[in-house]
This record gives sequence, structure tokens and C-alpha cells, in this order.
Amino acid sequence: AQSVAQPEDQVNVAEGNPLTVKCTYSVSGNPYLFWYVQYPNRGLQFLLKYITGDNLVKGSYGFEAEFNKSQTSFHLKKPSALVSDSALYFCAVPSGNTGKLIFGQGTTLQVKP
Amino acid sequence: EAGVTQFPSHSVIEKGQTVTLRCDPISGHDNLYWYRRVMGKEIKFLLHFVKESKQDESGMPNNRFLAERTGGTYSTLKVQPAELEDSGVYFCASSFLPGLLTDTQYFGPGTRLTVL
Repeated sequence: AQSVAQPEDQVNVAEGNPLTVKCTYSVSGNPYLFWYVQYPNRGLQFLLKYITGDNLVKGSYGFEAEFNKSQTSFHLKKPSALVSDSALYFCAVPSGNTGKLIFGQGTTLQVKP
Repeated sequence: EAGVTQFPSHSVIEKGQTVTLRCDPISGHDNLYWYRRVMGKEIKFLLHFVKESKQDESGMPNNRFLAERTGGTYSTLKVQPAELEDSGVYFCASSFLPGLLTDTQYFGPGTRLTVL
């Protein structure tokens, strides 16, 4: 069965510092991986996805994610955090023939000025 | 292009009452998904439509939940009768290509349901 795990409930970083939000996966077949963000009182917004090819995927709002097959990880990164990046981040993987998404439990990112 | 919209944004009802949630997907998207997040836990899949047909209902909790997508456009999710454990945020998502696992799902803002 497809699954993803986000080992950290919360990540705290100072504004201007690099940030990493971790995600590990367990899939059968080709891994397709997604990151979504939920800002306060908003819906889920798509950030980026890995399908194939370059292990470094660039997405919205300056975020990128690194696919690592040997470590079965897909960590979300940003070189310089902004206070406005404070939000809830979800890693997800499609499952079955219908593409339903299996989500990690979410990681709250808190960026302090 | 308009995104996925959901109505209402919030609903507070008493146990035993009925609530109907509505989702309007992005125009032209054949795939429509319902998910929910209960009590700060992970987001869980409920069901999937392709046009008006239900493709996967494996996530529906029980027969108190009924989803429809008449005409293959908007969808409704009815909870009847509502129980306390149904409280949570219900998300709808849509995507363009059926059966393509790499296709991005675009989410609506969610409906926050509170059952008292």
C-alpha cells in the first residue's frame, strides 16, 4: 500500500534561514509525490510534484523538493524562509487506479521574525 | 479561470440533523474527489467521481453519507443523520484527466462542519 510519513508535527525556523519539511514514502511502482500547503483559513494549495527526471523539483513561492530514491524521501525546502510561509504542509502520494491521494499527517511550519 | 468552490464555508448543526455540502469543480475537470480532515488528523479520501459515475467509494465511512454528481458538474455530499464524529473539514478536489496518477488535484477551500 502507498503511504507517506511526515516525522515532524512542527518545524520552527527564523526568517531568512533555510527551511526543510521532511517527508518519507513507501510505494510500489513508480513514485509520484506531491506537496500541498494550507494557509490559515484557506484551502489546500498545490506546491509541486515529482513525476520523473530531475531529482530537484521547483515549485510555487520559491519552494523546491528533493527526491531521494535511496532514502525514500521527498523533503520540501526553501533557501530563505519568510514569515508568510507559516502554514500547514502536507506530503501526498496517489494510490490505486483512481489517483486518490494518501496524505501525511501534516507539518506545521512556524517562521518567526 | 475559477478554482474549485465549496459551499457553505462553515456549517454548525445538531446531532441527528441533515447537512448537504456542495462542490463546484474547475470547469472541464472530469475527476472530482471528496476528502475530509477530522480533529487535526490526516486528510482522508472519501470518494471519487469521473463525470457522474462513482469510481471509488472506499473511503465513505458509512451509509449516512451520500454523494451525488448529477450531470457530471457539481457534486453534493449529504450527511444524514449527522453524528458528533462527523465534525471536521470536508475538502473537494478536481483534476482534468481520469486515470492519470500524475495529474494535479486542485482543492477547494473546504467546508468546516461542526456537529453539536
